[in-house]
Amino acid sequence: NAGVTQTPKFRVLKTGQSMTLLCAQDMNHEYMYWYRQDPGMGLRLIHYSVGEGTTAKGEVPDGYNVSRLKKQNFLLGLESAAPSQTSVYFCASSRLHGQGARNQPQHFGDGTRLSIL
Amino acid sequence: AQKITQTQPGMFVQEKEAVTLDCTYDTSDPSYGLFWYKQPSSGEMIFLIYQGSYDQQNATEGRYSLNFQKARKSANLVISASQLGDSAMYFCAMREENSGGSNYKLTFGKGTLLTVNP
Repeated sequence: NAGVTQTPKFRVLKTGQSMTLLCAQDMNHEYMYWYRQDPGMGLRLIHYSVGEGTTAKGEVPDGYNVSRLKKQNFLLGLESAAPSQTSVYFCASSRLHGQGARNQPQHFGDGTRLSIL
Repeated sequence: AQKITQTQPGMFVQEKEAVTLDCTYDTSDPSYGLFWYKQPSSGEMIFLIYQGSYDQQNATEGRYSLNFQKARKSANLVISASQLGDSAMYFCAMREENSGGSNYKLTFGKGTLLTVNP
């Protein structure tokens, strides 16, 4: 039971470098999300997707891009990493609300710890 | 204004005792859901319990129960018979299920760090 898998688990980047975080889910969920977690801030939504080929901005989208080319994958990209993007990144997925999933939670990956030097 | 407020940055409880973690929310959407997640020191997010705005009864899941007071807009988590393994960060989150909306984002509170003492 893989659920939601994030790769990599840890990464250190230098300012200005780029990288892509990969999220894969095997639950056939329509919705996928990227959050960042900073100390004392809870989780904040970066971008989300309601289906293959669609993405939308969340609460803190600046400096990030996303793509959902396949239903099971949601990629988060940092084009030019900045120290302010040092954080723990979580991917999550959930079912469509209308599919009797009103009480279904978002399922989270284990997180990616990213440090920008 | 914050949509989810958790006023207790940290809480302590003795093993085997009950503890209540506070959560208040703010929404004008008549249809919404409230979730509690546990985040142990290992970092993963574990779903605990859900309460829907139209649910007539308070939600319960094993040792977890939700004290839902709709008029006060509060959804406090009650953990009975605390165990050492309950030591973790706890997050309250809300999903506004506005009619016609196609997204079901969660808005999280800042969390409460619970420490269970032996």
